[in-house]
Amino acid sequence: GNSVTQMEGPVTLSEEAFLTINCTYTATGYPSLFWYVQYPGEGLQLLLKATKADDKGSNKGFEATYRKETTSFHLEKGSVQVSDSAVYFCALSDYGYQKVTFGTGTKLQVIP
Amino acid sequence: NAGVTQTPKFRVLKTGQSMTLLCAQDMNHEYMYWYRQDPGMGLRLIHYSVGEGTTAKGEVPDGYNVSRLKKQNFLLGLESAAPSQTSVYFCASSRDSSGNTIYFGEGSWLTVV
Repeated sequence: GNSVTQMEGPVTLSEEAFLTINCTYTATGYPSLFWYVQYPGEGLQLLLKATKADDKGSNKGFEATYRKETTSFHLEKGSVQVSDSAVYFCALSDYGYQKVTFGTGTKLQVIP
Repeated sequence: NAGVTQTPKFRVLKTGQSMTLLCAQDMNHEYMYWYRQDPGMGLRLIHYSVGEGTTAKGEVPDGYNVSRLKKQNFLLGLESAAPSQTSVYFCASSRDSSGNTIYFGEGSWLTVV
């Protein structure tokens, strides 16, 4: 079956530091890949997505590239802010499987 | 633009009581989902629906029932609540499963004492 593996958190960074959150996946088909963000007390919001190999999703300074050869979709940001503190979820959607598979989430804390 | 709306947002139940969580979406989506979120375990799928009148089991269906009588609504029922069902519940919807975005409600905090 499909699965998503994320690096365990929490991740604590100083403001303006570089961020990488690793995500790898297992899928039998050709999935679409997503990063969702959950701010405290809220539901999940789509941060970015990529639908095919070598696509790069980007939003709000975050980027992730769909790497089929390494089955990865790592999230990066060049300079994090305190407002980026949240839980980040990697996910995949594979046509025919009728549901989205989520990773366990990585908590990011950015300190001033 | 409501999107996905869940009610109630907070609820405290006694062990053995029953309750229903309501999810409503106004995007005409075919697919709807119920997840629970527990510390250190991420999101786990309880039940889902691929269209009006259909339901299917997810990863952790035991102790829950669902119904999708109308396309826009997806109800999650707890017939006899247990402390292990203390969790945050999220409803979500999507147009289909072929890589389209899944949209989430804001969550329902349920405590069973």
